[in-house]
Amino acid sequence: KNQVEQSPQSLIILEGKNCTLQCNYTVSPFSNLRWYKQDTGRGPVSLTIMTFSENTKSNGRYTATLDADTKQSSLHITASQLSDSASYICVVSAKDSSYKLIFGSGTRLLVRP
Amino acid sequence: GAVVSQHPSRVICKSGTSVKIECRSLDFQATTMFWYRQFPKQSLMLMATSNEGSKATYEQGVEKDKFLINHASLTLSTLTVTSAHPEDSSFYICSASTASGNQPQHFGDGTRLSIL
Repeated sequence: KNQVEQSPQSLIILEGKNCTLQCNYTVSPFSNLRWYKQDTGRGPVSLTIMTFSENTKSNGRYTATLDADTKQSSLHITASQLSDSASYICVVSAKDSSYKLIFGSGTRLLVRP
Repeated sequence: GAVVSQHPSRVICKSGTSVKIECRSLDFQATTMFWYRQFPKQSLMLMATSNEGSKATYEQGVEKDKFLINHASLTLSTLTVTSAHPEDSSFYICSASTASGNQPQHFGDGTRLSIL
């Protein structure tokens, strides 16, 4: 069964600190892995998208890694800001006829001053 | 960047009312549009996939007569919740893509539907 699991479920950090969010997946065949940021009451916004051959991808203070062998990904946030408070969702696309997205349940991040 | 506009952002209405939600791709042609539902503190659940000019493909457990989807053009898809009841209250989000595969899905800002 195709699944995406994220940890931790929630995280509280102080402004300026770094943090790392984890994502494990069992999706096969694998097409790509995406990280989205979702503010409360808003739609998800894409941060990164990585294919099988990509190990790391950065978008400003966000850096995503992918280990396709162990089927793990991480999202590292550097020098956190209050505006980073949001849910971060790991999404994996299966390489089938529909290319459906399989969503993780998200990590709720709260950055405190 | 690609922009997807969703309207209305919030709807409050009485039980039995039908509600239409619009999803527009503002600066690109969306071959495929997706409709999701999200309950509090849960992730997005795909309801249906629609391709322009053809019937939508619904996920298992989603009533097609309850959630009517029309994708009449490459820039507009609509979701109509027919005879809505309190259990239909949720956050509905659309996304649009130029193609399947490695193309990103661009999400709208969602519609908060509250049925009294």
